[in-house]
Amino acid sequence: KNEVEQSPQNLTAQEGEFITINCSYSVGISALHWLQQHPGGGIVSLFMLSSGKKKHGRLIATINIQEKHSSLHITASHPRDSAVYICAVREDSNYQLIWGAGTKLIIKP
Amino acid sequence: NAGVTQTPKFRVLKTGQSMTLLCAQDMNHEYMYWYRQDPGMGLRLIHYSVGEGTTAKGEVPDGYNVSRLKKQNFLLGLESAAPSQTSVYFCASRTDSYQSLKYNSPLHFGNGTRLTVT
Repeated sequence: KNEVEQSPQNLTAQEGEFITINCSYSVGISALHWLQQHPGGGIVSLFMLSSGKKKHGRLIATINIQEKHSSLHITASHPRDSAVYICAVREDSNYQLIWGAGTKLIIKP
Repeated sequence: NAGVTQTPKFRVLKTGQSMTLLCAQDMNHEYMYWYRQDPGMGLRLIHYSVGEGTTAKGEVPDGYNVSRLKKQNFLLGLESAAPSQTSVYFCASRTDSYQSLKYNSPLHFGNGTRLTVT
């Protein structure tokens, strides 16, 4: 069983829909990262959080440490949000990053 | 600022050939990493460096070597390429200057190198 699991693996939605991508992990962590990988390949950090909730524009990330679960939400989705969204956790025992396999999101106009 | 620059962007090698991938960052970051990305899998750490002159093995180091002679550069070498090394390679860097977030400063990625070994 992977230590970081993302769901769904693939998600296709219509423009304007509210999007939720989930990340569950099984290890103790000091922080969780959400990243975006554009179709061209570049990877950009979106959020780093260890508790609560963070918001940047139409993106919202939440984490529940007790349940070992995080969600990434996109409000008013747009075709330019189409990308792979990656979750990674910093393990608190050895400070290594453990990566999820990513969620491929396609937003149709 | 250019951020993290990887060269080359694409490369095709024959089995047994060697090559070096170059990663350069202009942000004065202490930590640098080399990852490989394969379909359906998360990023896997090959080697990393916590400062000039130091390197360490990651999750999948076999078949690769690295060097960090200068703080801004991190080189990944394949001495004898194998088809199993066909992958997309990403370099990343981060600072450790956030005292309270020493292990959790954001990663900055290069645009990747697509390597095919035939």
